[in-house]
Amino acid sequence: KQEVTQIPAALSVPEGENLVLNCSFTDSAIYNLQWFRQDPGKGLTSLLLIQSSQREQTSGRLNASLDKSSGRSTLYIAASQPGDSATYLCAVSGDYKLSFGAGTTVTVRA
Amino acid sequence: SQTIHQWPATLVQPVGSPLSLECTVEGTSNPNLYWYRQAAGRGLQLLFYSVGIGQISSEVPQNLSASRPQDRQFILSSKKLLLSDSGFYLCAWSRLSMNTEAFFGQGTRLTVV
Repeated sequence: KQEVTQIPAALSVPEGENLVLNCSFTDSAIYNLQWFRQDPGKGLTSLLLIQSSQREQTSGRLNASLDKSSGRSTLYIAASQPGDSATYLCAVSGDYKLSFGAGTTVTVRA
Repeated sequence: SQTIHQWPATLVQPVGSPLSLECTVEGTSNPNLYWYRQAAGRGLQLLFYSVGIGQISSEVPQNLSASRPQDRQFILSSKKLLLSDSGFYLCAWSRLSMNTEAFFGQGTRLTVV
């Protein structure tokens, strides 16, 4: 059974600082890894999708890396802003299923 | 472009009452459809998925059921709600298998009282 862990559970940083969010998974036989953002009481917004054959993916201030063999992914958010405050979830896919971590709740202080 | 609609946004139901949550997808055909439940402080748990009309797979034994009466419609139901059914329910879709990007609805907050 795939287990996905996200560390830390919560993170508070001053505006402008870079964010580093970690995700680890136990089974390296994945098809892809997705990072999502969730605002309180809302659904999930897809941020980045990394296919299993890729090492990283970038979108604006966001960069995600994937090391499938070691079961790790990292989401980097450059120059954080208060609007980046949210919960960030990673999920790995295999066999019609997305397995999720519990998320990292980020607070960016103005 | 594709969109996913989920309703209602919030729902308060008494124990023992029935439940029906609806999810529809627009702008695509033959999507894979999913129901997830999110408990506070925990990851999302997959409840059901469907690869076609009338085809439902259940991931965990529970008090809930799912149906897919039309290609782009996915319904989550219960005949009698339990307190433990309270939670945040999310519908999602993807093309083909989960090898492609998944998109989520805005969720339904269900409180069973």
